[in-house]
Amino acid sequence: KQEVTQIPAALSVPEGENLVLNCSFTDSAIYNLQWFRQDPGKGLTSLLLIQSSQREQTSGRLNASLDKSSGRSTLYIAASQPGDSATYLCAADNAGNMLTFGGGTRLMVKP
Amino acid sequence: DAGVIQSPRHEVTEMGQEVTLRCKPISGHDYLFWYRQTMMRGLELLIYFNNNVPIDDSGMPEDRFSAKMPNASFSTLKIQPSEPRDSAVYFCASSQPVLAGGPTDTQYFGPGTRLTVL
Repeated sequence: KQEVTQIPAALSVPEGENLVLNCSFTDSAIYNLQWFRQDPGKGLTSLLLIQSSQREQTSGRLNASLDKSSGRSTLYIAASQPGDSATYLCAADNAGNMLTFGGGTRLMVKP
Repeated sequence: DAGVIQSPRHEVTEMGQEVTLRCKPISGHDYLFWYRQTMMRGLELLIYFNNNVPIDDSGMPEDRFSAKMPNASFSTLKIQPSEPRDSAVYFCASSQPVLAGGPTDTQYFGPGTRLTVL
């Protein structure tokens, strides 16, 4: 059974800092690895999806990498802003349609 | 498109009562997912449908939970009878396959229904 872990559980950084969020998974037979953002009281918003054949995906200030062999993914946020404050969740897709989520990293970017 | 629509946004009920949560997926999406989010267990997949047919319900906690999708634009998740431990935020999500018969593309989530069972 897939298990997804995110470290750290919470992170507080000053505005402008570059930061890395970590995600590890136990079963490397994945279709894709997805990163989501969740704002308080809201649903999830998809940020990046990395197919199993890819190594990374980029969108604006966000860059996500995937290393299947080691069971790791990282989300890099460049030049963080207060608006980036949210919970970030990664999810592994093992069965083509069934996501297993990590516990999330709660990020606070201080002005 | 208005995105995935869920109703109600908040539901407070008493133990033993029946609860019905509703979801309207994004038009044209073939897949619909129901998730539950709690502090203790995080976000868990309960059940998902493809073309209105339930494909995997292994995440449904027990027989008190049931889900239906009578047509492509509507799904319900019912809890009967409800218990305090069912209190959680329930999310509905929809997506479409990257390739026919293949893994799905990005899942789009609704705003969730916050359920409180007293």
